[in-house]
Amino acid sequence: NAGVTQTPKFQVLKTGQSMTLQCAQDMNHNSMYWYRQDPGMGLRLIYYSASEGTTDKGEVPNGYNVSRLNKREFSLRLESAAPSQTSVYFCASSIGTAATNEKLFFGSGTQLSVL
Amino acid sequence: KQEVTQIPAALSVPEGENLVLNCSFTDSAIYNLQWFRQDPGKGLTSLLLIQSSQREQTSGRLNASLDKSSGRSTLYIAASQPGDSATYLCAVDHDTGFQKLVFGTGTRLLVSP
Repeated sequence: NAGVTQTPKFQVLKTGQSMTLQCAQDMNHNSMYWYRQDPGMGLRLIYYSASEGTTDKGEVPNGYNVSRLNKREFSLRLESAAPSQTSVYFCASSIGTAATNEKLFFGSGTQLSVL
Repeated sequence: KQEVTQIPAALSVPEGENLVLNCSFTDSAIYNLQWFRQDPGKGLTSLLLIQSSQREQTSGRLNASLDKSSGRSTLYIAASQPGDSATYLCAVDHDTGFQKLVFGTGTRLLVSP
């Protein structure tokens, strides 16, 4: 019963470096999401994928790219990391039946520091 | 723009107390409201989801109510236990066609033995 798995759990980058955060779910969910959590601001949606093959911007997409590799996997890429991207990143998934009343299932997060 | 506020930011109670956490939102045109629990260093776990047509949902010692017209929700925890210590977040789904949750900043709860 793995649920939503994120890697890595911790990462330190220098300004300008790139990296990809990985996320995989084993619940056969159609929809996947990336959020960031910053102190005092709550979670904010970066990108989401309603179904395999589609991706859309959320509230704070600048500086990020995503790839929905297949139904299980949804990755988040920072092309040129900036200190403002220091945050905790969460991946989530939901059944995605086009209904709006669905619970989200979250991974345990990636704590990213950009120096 | 939808904004979600949670008061208080932190709460400390002795074990056994009943307690209420508050959540307010500025735009009443929501599809649902969810309450989540977050343990330190962990992800979020969905506790309760209240659809816009519903007034409340219950799960064990938890009861969540929704007053959409006034933009308020409460999470009631009965007979609190130390294991309830965590941060509780509420989130509203206010967009059409797809879930785009707007989160509050959470209430950090500490239940002392």
